[in-house]
Amino acid sequence: TQLLEQSPQFLSIQEGENLTVYCNSSSVFSSLQWYRQEPGEGPVLLVTVVTGGEVKKLKRLTFQFGDARKDSSLHITAAQPGDTGLYLCAGEEGGSEKLVFGKGTKLTVNP
Amino acid sequence: NAGVTQTPKFQVLKTGQSMTLQCAQDMNHEYMSWYRQDPGMGLRLIHYSVGAGITDQGEVPNGYNVSRSTTEDFPLRLLSAAPSQTSVYFCASSRTGILTDTQYFGPGTRLTVL
Repeated sequence: TQLLEQSPQFLSIQEGENLTVYCNSSSVFSSLQWYRQEPGEGPVLLVTVVTGGEVKKLKRLTFQFGDARKDSSLHITAAQPGDTGLYLCAGEEGGSEKLVFGKGTKLTVNP
Repeated sequence: NAGVTQTPKFQVLKTGQSMTLQCAQDMNHEYMSWYRQDPGMGLRLIHYSVGAGITDQGEVPNGYNVSRSTTEDFPLRLLSAAPSQTSVYFCASSRTGILTDTQYFGPGTRLTVL
């Protein structure tokens, strides 16, 4: 099973700060997804990146897929309390239709 | 559309008991899957199905059975519950594959095995 390592595991920041979370693997993934999960709910898909070097923006969130398709990052600009949650990255195991998830980054944005 | 629904929301079992976690979707999605989420472990795939009558194992299938007799329903059966199966279980569905379409997750079932 391919592994996805996320860092940091926990992040607590003040409203208005910028932050970046990382998702790394020693294996190549055909694509990577980022999810956000709030307490007591299921994950919600934010984005899918499929091309090495791809950058996608979703309002204040910027997602990047590494050139070698082994890593990805999520950058949040001017974080808001509503951004609080667990951010999960997930990758597909080479055309297998199976998703492998990282352990997540728990983000807290304090007002 | 109700989306992906899961029942029950909470369940407490004794070791050795069996039960079925229900999952249903009303979006006519072909792909359905079951995950478990444990503290510090992320989500791990238990079983998945690419269509009615077709199921396959994920990363942690032992102790669980599934079947897919209809497009709408994908129940997860615990044959003989063990404390190690204490977890939050999520069902998910997508129109076709997990990469070509958005995967929607249910609200989860919180299971405790004593």
